[in-house]
Amino acid sequence: SQQGEEDPQALSIQEGENATMNCSYKTSINNLQWYRQNSGRGLVHLILIRSNEREKHSGRLRVTLDTSKKSSSLLITASRAADTASYFCATENAGNMLTFGGGTRLMVKP
Amino acid sequence: GAGVSQSPRYKVAKRGQDVALRCDPISGHVSLFWYQQALGQGPEFLTYFQNEAQLDKSGLPSDRFFAERPEGSVSTLKIQRTQQEDSAVYLCASSGQAYSYEQYFGPGTRLTVT
Repeated sequence: SQQGEEDPQALSIQEGENATMNCSYKTSINNLQWYRQNSGRGLVHLILIRSNEREKHSGRLRVTLDTSKKSSSLLITASRAADTASYFCATENAGNMLTFGGGTRLMVKP
Repeated sequence: GAGVSQSPRYKVAKRGQDVALRCDPISGHVSLFWYQQALGQGPEFLTYFQNEAQLDKSGLPSDRFFAERPEGSVSTLKIQRTQQEDSAVYLCASSGQAYSYEQYFGPGTRLTVT
């Protein structure tokens, strides 16, 4: 079973716009990670935020974490056509393995 | 440097056949994970190795699934008597640390059981 629920399931925007994806989870975590998956390819790690952190930035990516609400958001600013992919949040708890959400399919139109 | 590699990339098996999927992790990585990804869904955990020790196999869906990493590097996921519901992409990931670090994923093996 999957811990996370991602919202929206699909998102279509124009190049240059910002994209926001949300993730909710159920149990306590050590950290939360976001991954990107292009069609037919493996997952690429984007960013990791630890349970004692509230916000993290990496280039055009901004991640927030609210452990009281068991939720996280990923913001991609100034989107590009190359950002078109599926985005997954994944939580790591004491068991080391990652528990993934169902993903958000992002399409960025040129 | 080389990333995680998996072979074969695609496998078609007839129902009832046995299959073996191989994962070559990043050299020196301690942790190795197997995940199963059904079409349109996120990956689901199958099993976890730390070096050659299989520390968690709670995600293996049945006793037809077996994984090994005998020398602490290459790993093989074996599925016996394949069923149609086994059709999925099988992803391998490795990590240089045991806890709280990013995982590096291979391209996956797409298994189709006919």
